[in-house]
Amino acid sequence: DGGITQSPKYLFRKEGQNVTLSCEQNLNHDAMYWYRQDPGQGLRLIYYSQIVNDFQKGDIAEGYSVSREKKESFPLTVTSAQKNPTAFYLCASRNRPDRENQPQHFGDGTRLSIL
Amino acid sequence: RKEVEQDPGPFNVPEGATVAFNCTYSNSASQSFFWYRQDCRKEPKLLMSVYSSGNEDGRFTAQLNRASQYISLLIRDSKLSDSATYLCVVKRGFKTIFGAGTRLFVKA
Repeated sequence: DGGITQSPKYLFRKEGQNVTLSCEQNLNHDAMYWYRQDPGQGLRLIYYSQIVNDFQKGDIAEGYSVSREKKESFPLTVTSAQKNPTAFYLCASRNRPDRENQPQHFGDGTRLSIL
Repeated sequence: RKEVEQDPGPFNVPEGATVAFNCTYSNSASQSFFWYRQDCRKEPKLLMSVYSSGNEDGRFTAQLNRASQYISLLIRDSKLSDSATYLCVVKRGFKTIFGAGTRLFVKA
């Protein structure tokens, strides 16, 4: 079955530590996205990538980094510079982001907490 | 002002009720519109796209009014399983903007 796989489901970070969240999709989608959701809040865009080897900052990129070396993979690193990393992180992908009426599809998320 | 605004609710309705959610967007260049459903501690899932002509999927009806920059979702004959947060989503170019969501509780 095609889909988006995020891992791990739960992650704990120590102070000063970088952690990497994995996102893999086998939908052959061009575009991939990372969002952060805080309790009772909407989704906020961290980074997005429309094609391999290219990515753009979203609204809240500070303290995060990404790479897009392969079409199917878009890992997110939460660096020690991100002082409030506790949140629900969602990865999404979309086929043909230039086309209208192409919705995003989401992985089932990673919950990150500080130890 | 947020680009996509929704009433956060919560809406508390009995089973069988009809409930309507509204959403407004501020950028007239917005091109595509969607409703997503998000269950507690889960990822958002696409419920339906929204078209100017209006579209229906079973008990769900979505409507878009471009002149007023307004989107609606109507749920008829509410079920307990409809309890969730409903996100209004607007696409503009390569950018997708999510509303903060409207919470719905359907009670027996």
